[in-house]
Amino acid sequence: AQTVTQSQPEMSVQEAETVTLSCTYDTSESDYYLFWYKQPPSRQMILVIRQEAYKQQNATENRFSVNFQKAAKSFSLKISDSQLGDAAMYFCAYRNQAGTALIFGKGTTLSVSS
Amino acid sequence: GAVVSQHPSRVICKSGTSVKIECRSLDFQATTMFWYRQFPKQSLMLMATSNEGSKATYEQGVEKDKFLINHASLTLSTLTVTSAHPEDSSFYICSARDGGGPNEQYFGPGTRLTVT
Repeated sequence: AQTVTQSQPEMSVQEAETVTLSCTYDTSESDYYLFWYKQPPSRQMILVIRQEAYKQQNATENRFSVNFQKAAKSFSLKISDSQLGDAAMYFCAYRNQAGTALIFGKGTTLSVSS
Repeated sequence: GAVVSQHPSRVICKSGTSVKIECRSLDFQATTMFWYRQFPKQSLMLMATSNEGSKATYEQGVEKDKFLINHASLTLSTLTVTSAHPEDSSFYICSARDGGGPNEQYFGPGTRLTVT
């Protein structure tokens, strides 16, 4: 069975600084998708970034980028130039090629201070 | 972009009553919808997978007689919590898979259920 592990329950960063959130996963499949979701206090799940396992290039979305290490089964999220609005809970998630349900890590609560 | 709605956003019900939560895909057809449950400051836990026109598949430990799921059309799935008890109080989130796309899943805004 696939598992997703986020080992940092809480992280903090100052405005304009950079922070990295860690995620490891376990799977025996070769093709799959990895995601980072943001859940602000409203609790609406917001897709931050998406990575296809077959793509070696790391995904980037504006201030958000990932470091995808397929052999190590690691998928970290880097947030650059942190903003107060980035404060939220962040979930790492895995999905297989067939599109079954997402498997989530336990989440990391990110706080941003000014 | 793909939009998924949930109704109601908040509901308070008395112990022993039933409550229905609707999940709708507004601009795409969802052959599959997923129901998650989330307790405060915890992760999303998959409850069940519903496929249009067939019975839902429940995760281990989820009582299918308590959490009734119906996926009667390509745009609507419902979760009915029957004989609700205070321990059923939680945040329920649905997601819908776009049947016409690359299996992308889109989340509804969630429903906060409080059982008194």
